[in-house]
Amino acid sequence: GAGVSQSPSNKVTEKGKDVELRCDPISGHTALYWYRQSLGQGLEFLIYFQGNSAPDKSGLPSDRFSAERTGGSVSTLTIQRTQQEDSAVYLCASSSRASGYNEQFFGPGTRLTVL
Amino acid sequence: GESVGLHLPTLSVQEGDNSIINCAYSNSASDYFIWYKQESGKGPQFIIDIRSNMDKRQGQRVTVLLNKTVKHLSLQIAATQPGDSAVYFCLMNYGGSQGNLIFGKGTKLSVKP
Repeated sequence: GAGVSQSPSNKVTEKGKDVELRCDPISGHTALYWYRQSLGQGLEFLIYFQGNSAPDKSGLPSDRFSAERTGGSVSTLTIQRTQQEDSAVYLCASSSRASGYNEQFFGPGTRLTVL
Repeated sequence: GESVGLHLPTLSVQEGDNSIINCAYSNSASDYFIWYKQESGKGPQFIIDIRSNMDKRQGQRVTVLLNKTVKHLSLQIAATQPGDSAVYFCLMNYGGSQGNLIFGKGTKLSVKP
C-alpha cells in the first residue's frame, strides 16, 4: 500500500499488561512520528525518528513508554504496565525530505482501551 | 512558552455557507503552519500549508491566512459541504527540529444540510 499503516486497529487490554503498537511508514520516508490523541483532545507528540539519528523522546509521558525503529522502517511503540489513562488513539506519521519533512502522512491509528 | 490554541472548539454551519476556523499561537519563532483535517475514525489528512514569509495561500475551496503581528492563523472553507464535517487541527513547526511540533486542540466542524 501507498500509505502509512498501523496495527492493530483496536486493542483492549487489562491494566498492568504490556502492549505493542506497530507502524509501517511510507516506503522511503526517513522521518517517523508517534502521537497520542485522547478523547476530545489534540495530538500529543510522543517521539520521532529521523534516519539513523538518536530519536527525540522528549514527548514520552513516562518511562513506561518506549519505541524502536528497526532498519529505518517499521516502528514499534511499547507501553509497559498499562494504566487506564493510557487509553487513547495512538497515531503514527511519516514524512520525507521531498516535503522538507514538514508534511506528515498519518496512519489510521490504533485505538487502545485499558480496562 | 509555546502554545497553539483554537478560539472555537466547535463550529456549526449551514451547507453552502463559508466556514472560518481560527488558531492562535504564541511562539514567534514559528516558520511553518499546516492545517489538517481529521474525519471520524481516521488519521489527520493534510489540507494546506503556509510559510511565515506569506500571509495568504489558496487551495481548492480553502484559504489559509496568517497574521504574524497578532500570531493568528485561520482556515477558510468556501461553500462548505457535508463532506467537510471533521475536526480541523492547526500545526506549528518551529525551530527547525522535527520534534518542535505543536498541534492545536482542534475545532469540530459540523455542516448542516
